[in-house]
Amino acid sequence: EVQLLESGGGVVQPGGSLRLSCAASGFTFRTSAMSWVRQAPGKGLEWVASISGSRGGSFYADSVKGRFAISRDDSKNTLYLQMHSLRAEDTAIYYCAKDPLVQRSAGDWFDPWGQGTLVTVSS
Amino acid sequence: QSVLTQPPSVSGAPGQRVTISCTGSSSNIGAGYDAHWYQQLPGAAPKLLIYGNNNRPSGVPDRFSGSKSGTSASLAITGLQTEDEADYYCQSYDSSLSGSVFGGGTKLTVL
Repeated sequence: EVQLLESGGGVVQPGGSLRLSCAASGFTFRTSAMSWVRQAPGKGLEWVASISGSRGGSFYADSVKGRFAISRDDSKNTLYLQMHSLRAEDTAIYYCAKDPLVQRSAGDWFDPWGQGTLVTVSS
Repeated sequence: QSVLTQPPSVSGAPGQRVTISCTGSSSNIGAGYDAHWYQQLPGAAPKLLIYGNNNRPSGVPDRFSGSKSGTSASLAITGLQTEDEADYYCQSYDSSLSGSVFGGGTKLTVL
């Protein structure tokens, strides 16, 4: 069974940094593209970033480009999201999700999703 | 303002059929990119319901179906059940934004 377990969320001050982790199991992690999707409290879903498998490239939403970095450690089956210069509008539940293919592509969907980790940016 | 437009809410009685629309543009659904649908039960993570416009993952009942035409996609749910009460989101890719995009979500109420 595919499982994704996020961790690392918490309360951080505006301008601060935080690193989220997503531990994956039940599939061949190194050959799977992976993504982060967030959901602000009471709001809809927003794609944040994706990374291809097999040492492929990374892709970002304009809203986080230059501030967030997605990475992966295939030896640990773990996906990361390093977040810098955090803003109040980054407050959200952050979900990691598996893409269907090795390389991130335009037709990708997200399945499955982890349970999410809450990031709150507040002073 | 979401790139993909969904009605904020729809409702139906048990056993009825409802549809949820997802309207895009020439840079996403209208450009030929696939539409996908997710169900989010209260307090839970989203779950894939339909992928590639009209394909159901294993385990999703055939009461759920998807379609796409022009710049829009639709999700149909037949034989409504109380456990179908949830938020539903469409998703596609937008070439102008170079990334995945979601609709604003539709809350389904089973009366």
